[in-house]
Amino acid sequence: GNSVTQMEGPVTLSEEAFLTINCTYTATGYPSLFWYVQYPGEGLQLLLKATKADDKGSNKGFEATYRKETTSFHLEKGSVQVSDSAVYFCALRTNEGFQKLVFGTGTRLLVSP
Amino acid sequence: GAGVSQSPSNKVTEKGKDVELRCDPISGHTALYWYRQSLGQGLEFLIYFQGNSAPDKSGLPSDRFSAERTGGSVSTLTIQRTQQEDSAVYLCASSLTAGNTDTQYFGPGTRLTVL
Repeated sequence: GNSVTQMEGPVTLSEEAFLTINCTYTATGYPSLFWYVQYPGEGLQLLLKATKADDKGSNKGFEATYRKETTSFHLEKGSVQVSDSAVYFCALRTNEGFQKLVFGTGTRLLVSP
Repeated sequence: GAGVSQSPSNKVTEKGKDVELRCDPISGHTALYWYRQSLGQGLEFLIYFQGNSAPDKSGLPSDRFSAERTGGSVSTLTIQRTQQEDSAVYLCASSLTAGNTDTQYFGPGTRLTVL
């Protein structure tokens, strides 16, 4: 079946540190890959997406590259801010008639000043 | 434009009662999804609508759960005879089409607490 595995949190960083949140997936077919973010007290928001191999999604300084050979979609940011503190969810969606998003368990990021 | 809206934002109910949760998708979006976010289970898919029909109900946890969509717009998720394990945040999302690359936009959720 389809599944997403992401690193356990919380990830605790100081402001301006480099961020990596690992995400790997298992899927049949050719999935699209997504990162969603949930800020405290808010709903899920799409952060970035990539729809085919070697695509790079980027937004708000965050990047992730769709690596088919390693079935990965790791989230990176060069310099985190306190305002980036949130829960980050990696997700996939396949084109085989199943329209649902399959989510990872989420990774909480805590950034201190 | 307006995003996905859900009501109520919070619902507290007693075990055994029925509840209805409402979702208003983004205007013009043909696809609508319900998910559930709970501490033990993470984010789980419940049901998907294309127009008014539900091609995928595979995530509904039991026959106490049902959903409908009317006019290709508003959707209602109904939970009958609620149980404590139904306590969760119920999220609705919509997308322009059901295409694989289309973005799903989420509403703020309804927090359901079953006492």
